[in-house]
Amino acid sequence: DTAVSQTPKYLVTQMGNDKSIKCEQNLGHDTMYWYKQDSKKFLKIMFSYNNKELIINETVPNRFSPKSPDKAHLNLHINSLELGDSAVYFCASSQQGIQYFGPGTRLLVL
Amino acid sequence: QKEVEQNSGPLSVPEGAIASLNCTYSDRGSQSFFWYRQYSGKSPELIMFIYSNGDKEDGRFTAQLNKASQYVSLLIRDSQPSDSATYLCAVDHSGGGADGLTFGKGTHLIIQP
Repeated sequence: DTAVSQTPKYLVTQMGNDKSIKCEQNLGHDTMYWYKQDSKKFLKIMFSYNNKELIINETVPNRFSPKSPDKAHLNLHINSLELGDSAVYFCASSQQGIQYFGPGTRLLVL
Repeated sequence: QKEVEQNSGPLSVPEGAIASLNCTYSDRGSQSFFWYRQYSGKSPELIMFIYSNGDKEDGRFTAQLNKASQYVSLLIRDSQPSDSATYLCAVDHSGGGADGLTFGKGTHLIIQP
C-alpha cells in the first residue's frame, strides 16, 4: 500500500503553460506539505496545509497555488511555468511532526 | 534566517567501519531533529528522529543531539555498501511540524567495499 502518492511521476512542458501535480495520502495524517528539490539537490519547504488550512507559504511566487479538496489530498497548481521551475517536487504528510515523503514529480520546463 | 549546515562530502568510509555524519543548526529554539536518507532519483526516507539531548539508538544507527552546541549527528555502525546515499539533516523549528522541515544540503556518503 502506497502511503503518499503523487501523479504524474514525470512532467515535461513548455514555458508559459499551466500544470498541476496531485498528491494523496492514506495515512490519516492532518498535515501535508509541498517541497521543491532543485538541481543542486537542496530540499526546501514550499507550503504546509493543516486540516485544509494554509499554515505557511515560504517566499513562493504566487504562480504556485496549493489546493486541498479534503484532508487526504493536496494538489499543486503552477501557472505560467518558467525555466527555473524545473525541479523535483515532493509531497509529504505528517502526524506529530514526523514527515513521510511521496515519490516525487520530476518537472522539466523547456 | 533559520539554517541547517552539513558538510556536502563526499564522505568515503570503508565497509564495516563507522560512518559519522554531522549537522549544525542556527535556531536555538528548534524542537525536533531528523535524519533522512535519499538514494539518487528517489524520495527522502526517514532514518531517525530525536527530540532530547543525548543518544538514540535504532539498530546500526545512533542519533546524537546536543542542544547547547546546536549540533546533531548520525552514526552508522558496520557500514554496508547499501548505506551509500545522501543523508539529509532536517530540523523542525516550530514543533509539531506546522512550518515544515528545514533541510541541510545533505552529505554524500560512499561506503567502499
